[in-house]
Amino acid sequence: EPEVTQTPSHQVTQMGQEVILRCVPISNHLYFYWYRQILGQKVEFLVSFYNNEISEKSEIFDDQFSVERPDGSNFTLKIRSTKLEDSAMYFCASTGESNQPQHFGDGTRLSIL
Amino acid sequence: AQKITQTQPGMFVQEKEAVTLDCTYDTSDQSYGLFWYKQPSSGEMIFLIYQGSYDEQNATEGRYSLNFQKARKSANLVISASQLGDSAMYFCAMREDYSGYALNFGKGTSLLVTP
Repeated sequence: EPEVTQTPSHQVTQMGQEVILRCVPISNHLYFYWYRQILGQKVEFLVSFYNNEISEKSEIFDDQFSVERPDGSNFTLKIRSTKLEDSAMYFCASTGESNQPQHFGDGTRLSIL
Repeated sequence: AQKITQTQPGMFVQEKEAVTLDCTYDTSDQSYGLFWYKQPSSGEMIFLIYQGSYDEQNATEGRYSLNFQKARKSANLVISASQLGDSAMYFCAMREDYSGYALNFGKGTSLLVTP
C-alpha cells in the first residue's frame, strides 16, 4: 500500500539554526499538509498546500515557516530560525481529494537544543 | 471553543471485550467529515475510519465502527473484540468543508487493553 514518507525520523538542531523537514507524499495525491504535535498534546494544523501554493495556514505558521514543493515528489517544511518551542513531532499528510481522509507519514521528531 | 471534545483521557478494556471511545464535535457547517486516528507509542498516525456528515449509515471498517449521532453531534468509535495491539492513543478529528480542509483534532484518549 502506498504511504507518505518523511525524513529524517529524528532531527536535533541548535536553537537559531534553520531546519528542513522532508516529505514524499503518496504519488497521485494533490493536497499536502503539515501538522505538529508537541509532546503530550494534541495534533495541530500548520499549513495546507495545493496547486503549488498555500491554500490555508494556521496562526502557528508565522514568517519563520515556509513550505515548498521543489520537484514533482518532495514537499518540504522549512523553519528559518528555530526556537526551543519548535520542539515537536512534525507530520506530513496527503490526500487525493480535499474531502478524503488524509494519510499521515510516520513523523519527524524535531528537538531544539 | 473546542471543536472536538474527547472527555476520556484514559480507558481500560480487557482483551476480547468491546470498548467505546467518545467524541463530540462543534460546527455550524452542514458539510463536514469526522475521522479517527490511532497513534501507537511509536508515534505514527494511522487512519482508522471516516464518516461524512451526509452519510446516513454508520461507517464500519473491520473491528472499528463509528456511532454517528448527528443531532447530538457525537461520533464515538467502537472497537469490537479488543486486542493487545489496540493499546494506543486515539484521536478524533473533524474537517469542516466550508472552512478549509485542515483537520481539527481532539486531545485524544489513551486506551490500554489488558490480558
